[in-house]
Amino acid sequence: NAGVTQTPKFRILKIGQSMTLQCTQDMNHNYMYWYRQDPGMGLKLIYYSVGAGITDKGEVPNGYNVSRSTTEDFPLRLELAAPSQTSVYFCASSRLFGRSANYGYTFGSGTRLTVV
Amino acid sequence: KQEVTQIPAALSVPEGENLVLNCSFTDSAIYNLQWFRQDPGKGLTSLLLIQSSQREQTSGRLNASLDKSSGRSTLYIAASQPGDSATYLCAVRGAGANSKLTFGKGITLSVRP
Repeated sequence: NAGVTQTPKFRILKIGQSMTLQCTQDMNHNYMYWYRQDPGMGLKLIYYSVGAGITDKGEVPNGYNVSRSTTEDFPLRLELAAPSQTSVYFCASSRLFGRSANYGYTFGSGTRLTVV
Repeated sequence: KQEVTQIPAALSVPEGENLVLNCSFTDSAIYNLQWFRQDPGKGLTSLLLIQSSQREQTSGRLNASLDKSSGRSTLYIAASQPGDSATYLCAVRGAGANSKLTFGKGITLSVRP
């Protein structure tokens, strides 16, 4: 059981370039999330999805886009990279909201992105 | 808006000490609270999850408590070891159906041999 898999682990981008951060989960979780983590700032939610075809903005969505065509995949796209997007990005997933099971979050290992 | 606070930001203790990490949150309408561990340059590992109806959860040397009415949680680490050195993050999930986790900034723990 792989859990949440993120690729790539590291990436250096030049200002203005574009890239897609990949995220896949094999736990059949409905909910998926993208967070960014900056030193001393904690984790901030970028976008989230409650199921295939449904996405919504989090706290810091500017400069990013997402799609959710399948339950398993939730890619994050940066269209015009800026130095302010230098950060560590984490993808996470959780089960459908309900009453009796463990509805904790499972996180991927992160993508460290540097924009120069 | 939910706010989660973890104080102090850093803590250094000698090996063998029992210690308590604190977490406070402003909105008591939560669904659950989760403690994570993060090693330098790594992802987040879930340690304990407490549902809003529970008072505590235990796993090995770790015990997490929840007092929802006062907006507080503690993570108790017994007989600390150098391998416990890491950043510990507290996160709460709101009570709504599509609610998300709100994180504290974490406590960086150093256990000295």
